[in-house]
Amino acid sequence: TQLLEQSPQFLSIQEGENLTVYCNSSSVFSSLQWYRQEPGEGPVLLVTVVTGGEVKKLKRLTFQFGDARKDSSLHITAAQPGDTGLYLCAGGSNTGNQFYFGTGTSLTVIP
Amino acid sequence: DTEVTQTPKHLVMGMTNKKSLKCEQHMGHRAMYWYKQKAKKPPELMFVYSYEKLSINESVPSRFSPECPNSSLLNLHLHALQPEDSALYLCASSQDNDSGNEQYFGPGTRLTVT
Repeated sequence: TQLLEQSPQFLSIQEGENLTVYCNSSSVFSSLQWYRQEPGEGPVLLVTVVTGGEVKKLKRLTFQFGDARKDSSLHITAAQPGDTGLYLCAGGSNTGNQFYFGTGTSLTVIP
Repeated sequence: DTEVTQTPKHLVMGMTNKKSLKCEQHMGHRAMYWYKQKAKKPPELMFVYSYEKLSINESVPSRFSPECPNSSLLNLHLHALQPEDSALYLCASSQDNDSGNEQYFGPGTRLTVT
């Protein structure tokens, strides 16, 4: 059973378009992290959200944690080819000591 | 400094070889992790070390043997691997083993078993 489901699984868009990636669960998380991973490299931490309803901005990226701390979204404005990569949400369960990765979203931004 | 280093970057080994992957961090983190990752899939947890002791082994075959010589170093010893073990092997560290802590990843070792 996959605890964190991401959608879409694959996304290919033109440079300049906006997009949103979703990370959903039926479980409550103490916090959620978002990572970006480029081919052949390790995941790089982008942000951590902790409080329900929290919104964080990182340049053209906007991250939101759901009010109930069961879901999160990543919105990218005016996507650029450098945004291409695998986006992973991840988090620690509120009921145990387990850390879970989402199913991943592979984003390709076409110049 | 949030750097986790891994060596080697690439490794090709035969099914009868013995090799080791190395990971190092100097952030003072007390938890270190090994993950296995296939292309465009999320990382799969293999082992967790907390305060230099093995705390989680996710039913990994015995041909993978982890070792934590000290709080900064983590090794993964490989022996008699199978072609399906070919993958990107990632090391990560976090402040401690609390599930809410952020994990920092190394660049990975691309392993090919022939």
